[in-house]
Amino acid sequence: GAGVSQSPSNKVTEKGKDVELRCDPISGHTALYWYRQSLGQGLEFLIYFQGNSAPDKSGLPSDRFSAERTGGSVSTLTIQRTQQEDSAVYLCASSSGQSADGNTIYFGEGSWLTVV
Amino acid sequence: RKEVEQDPGPFNVPEGATVAFNCTYSNSASQSFFWYRQDCRKEPKLLMSVYSSGNEDGRFTAQLNRASQYISLLIRDSKLSDSATYLCVVRLSTGGFKTIFGAGTRLFVKA
Repeated sequence: GAGVSQSPSNKVTEKGKDVELRCDPISGHTALYWYRQSLGQGLEFLIYFQGNSAPDKSGLPSDRFSAERTGGSVSTLTIQRTQQEDSAVYLCASSSGQSADGNTIYFGEGSWLTVV
Repeated sequence: RKEVEQDPGPFNVPEGATVAFNCTYSNSASQSFFWYRQDCRKEPKLLMSVYSSGNEDGRFTAQLNRASQYISLLIRDSKLSDSATYLCVVRLSTGGFKTIFGAGTRLFVKA
């Protein structure tokens, strides 16, 4: 597709269950980001992948959160043993990442997670 | 201290008003700067890049002061449709050009 694609768009899960959120970045984009945004709050950085470099995981809030990016393209964010405070929209974004200048970050529409 | 700081607002202004948002950044490796706009329950989208000489796009003017590590966005003749959250964004020259978003400033334009 032309844009960043995320799935599922909405997910309701029971507390304690694991969830997987998928992101398909724009073709050719080497940089991929995951952010979390709770209702009415700002973007919270989670993790950043750039090409073949080791990911920047500094934003992951706990060891229940992990992400991988296979083949330098599709990424999966996994939340284990979900808690109610994990309820948020999870936004994926990508950019060409080739230089510091003029590389727009494009966001997907997000995966809205509700933990009940 | 957050790497990118913004006044969260909200700013409540009447139509036609001029409003300015400020943003400060702390990482000296910050190299590129942007303003993004986020509408309620939507994803952020690029509003404009910010250049060292300052730049204008219609009613929007962005300024950068590298010495003070400060970025601004000025909106003239506010419209109802300008109501949104405005995110200050910096891209580093290190760490694989990592991009950092501020928490955003909320703007409400009223009739």
